[in-house]
Amino acid sequence: DAGVIQSPRHEVTEMGQEVTLRCKPISGHDYLFWYRQTMMRGLELLIYFNNNVPIDDSGMPEDRFSAKMPNASFSTLKIQPSEPRDSAVYFCASSLVPVNEQYFGPGTRLTVT
Amino acid sequence: DAKTTQPNSMESNEEEPVHLPCNHSTISGTDYIHWYRQLPSQGPEYVIHGLTSNVNNRMASLAIAEDRKSSTLILHRATLRDAAVYYCILFAGNMLTFGGGTRLMVKP
Repeated sequence: DAGVIQSPRHEVTEMGQEVTLRCKPISGHDYLFWYRQTMMRGLELLIYFNNNVPIDDSGMPEDRFSAKMPNASFSTLKIQPSEPRDSAVYFCASSLVPVNEQYFGPGTRLTVT
Repeated sequence: DAKTTQPNSMESNEEEPVHLPCNHSTISGTDYIHWYRQLPSQGPEYVIHGLTSNVNNRMASLAIAEDRKSSTLILHRATLRDAAVYYCILFAGNMLTFGGGTRLMVKP
């Protein structure tokens, strides 16, 4: 398996624009997680899905952020409108059983100017 | 949420063992202890996890105190490739809550 795939790897956008980050989990994994990493706040869990259903979105910072998982092999994290403080590295992870290991993707580095 | 406390940084010599400590005095009976590491410019990578007993795998060993209020990640022979931030995490409710971690520096 190719592991967790994220795209794009880098995104530079202007404030106010819509940004969509994409994730393909490892095949067969029922859990998908979105994290955000910044120097100030470290790694934070934003939302996670089980069998394509959002289970806990308490980490989503505000209504500008939304996440979907239309099928078992694809998820998106959307920011609309984007702001400079959204600049961060966004990681997607998947797991078969959460108590065991989570596999992280390479991340998307987002810069909002 | 139960929290973990780790030293900000540690230094080791190459090919020597490394003991990375973690305190989790408020751990509950059902919390698993997970360790992940993050190499520069990469996503976190699973290292090991345990509940009550010590655990060994190809990457490391995890020693858990009898009262479970602390644990130690043991790298048996540090290499330059082990230089990373190591996170000790109490797993509860299907979620990992990352703290600040320990930055391990390995000297040749």
